[in-house]
Parts: sequence; structure tokens; C-alpha cells
Amino acid sequence: ETGVTQSPTHLIKTRGQQVTLRCSSQSGHNTVSWYQQALGQGPQFIFQYYREEENGRGNFPPRFSGLQFPNYSSELNVNALELDDSALYLCASSHRDTLRYEQYFGPGTRLTVT
Amino acid sequence: AQTVTQSQPEMSVQEAETVTLSCTYDTSESDYYLFWYKQPPSRQMILVIRQEAYKQQNATENRFSVNFQKAAKSFSLKISDSQLGDAAMYFCASLTEGAQKLVFGQGTRLTINP
Repeated sequence: ETGVTQSPTHLIKTRGQQVTLRCSSQSGHNTVSWYQQALGQGPQFIFQYYREEENGRGNFPPRFSGLQFPNYSSELNVNALELDDSALYLCASSHRDTLRYEQYFGPGTRLTVT
Repeated sequence: AQTVTQSQPEMSVQEAETVTLSCTYDTSESDYYLFWYKQPPSRQMILVIRQEAYKQQNATENRFSVNFQKAAKSFSLKISDSQLGDAAMYFCASLTEGAQKLVFGQGTRLTINP
């Protein structure tokens, strides 16, 4: 069984640029959730994708967008980067239809905005 | 709205002893789930244990067990026979069937003293 993978591991961008982060879900899972974890804090929910549709969104502006592909992998896109976007971005996969509600996390992408 | 509170920013315990991490939560939903996640310095969030709110019996996973007090909205984690590998940040989280998103507390940093 393949676990959740994310790429890249680290990324450094300049304010105003755009970034795309990628996530491959665990085999057998059909749902991907994205979280932002600022240093020293708990993760904050950004949004969730289920069957290629956005299924719930946290308190993040529209410049945070995403996609889910037919193989259930997902992308997180952030436009017009701000210094406060510097954080660890975590992707979690789950199987929405099993009713177990367990989410399994990838290793994260550390984004630094300068 | 869901909230999760962890009042202990840091805890320490001697190797082989028992430690309890505290968590309180608030939700207006009747169907919800509670989780403890572990985040070692490697950053990957690892699911430790899960509790369904409708179950009265406390969940147990090897050396990890919970004390779920539904009326008090309390969900503590007990780690028995602490090992050096247990050192990590521990996050308590809740999830409701409706929102399907994890809401995390601020975390407790656990140190194991040899």
C-alpha cells in the first residue's frame, strides 16, 4: 500500500509569485484535504476535494485554489504569494465512503516566501 | 463551530513512565469523531488513535489509550511505558460528519527523558 506523497519537499518563492504544490493520495482513497500549518501552530483546513469537486473550504482567500484529478491526486495553487503564506502545507487523504473519517497525512511541503 | 483546546504547551516524562495529555473540545454537532495525531521532527502527521463520539468505550491502541468524557467535552491521551520514540508534538483534533474537516488544537510538545 502506497502512502501519501507530496512534492516538492521545500520551496522558496518571492512575494507576488505563484506556486503549485502536489499531492498523491494513498491507494484506495478518493478524498484529499489540504491544511496550512504555520510555525508552532496546529494545522488549519484550507479545502477538501472529493470526486474532483471542492467539498468544503476553510477561511482562506480565493487566491488559494485546487484541483483533483481522476486518479485522486491533487494540486494546491496559491497566487500572489504573501509573506504570511510561509508555512508547512500538508495534504491528507481519506476514503469518504467508508465512514471511518480517518485522514492520513503526507510529509508536507515547506513553503518560504521572501 | 468546532473548537479544540490543548492547555499544555509542553509536557515531559521519564522513559517507561506514564503521561497524560489533555484536550477539550466544543461542537454543536451530535455526530463527531476525535483523534490524536503525533508529529515528530520529521513533520509527518501520524494518526495515533481515533474515538467515535457515539461509543462509550474508550479507544485503545497498544500503549495509547484515551479517556473520553462526552459530557465534559474532554478527550485526554494516556501514553503508558513511554519510549524515546514517543517524543513529538501531539495534536488533538475533531471532525464532524457534516464538515468532514479536521479542526486541530495548538498542540502539546512531549519530551521523553532517558
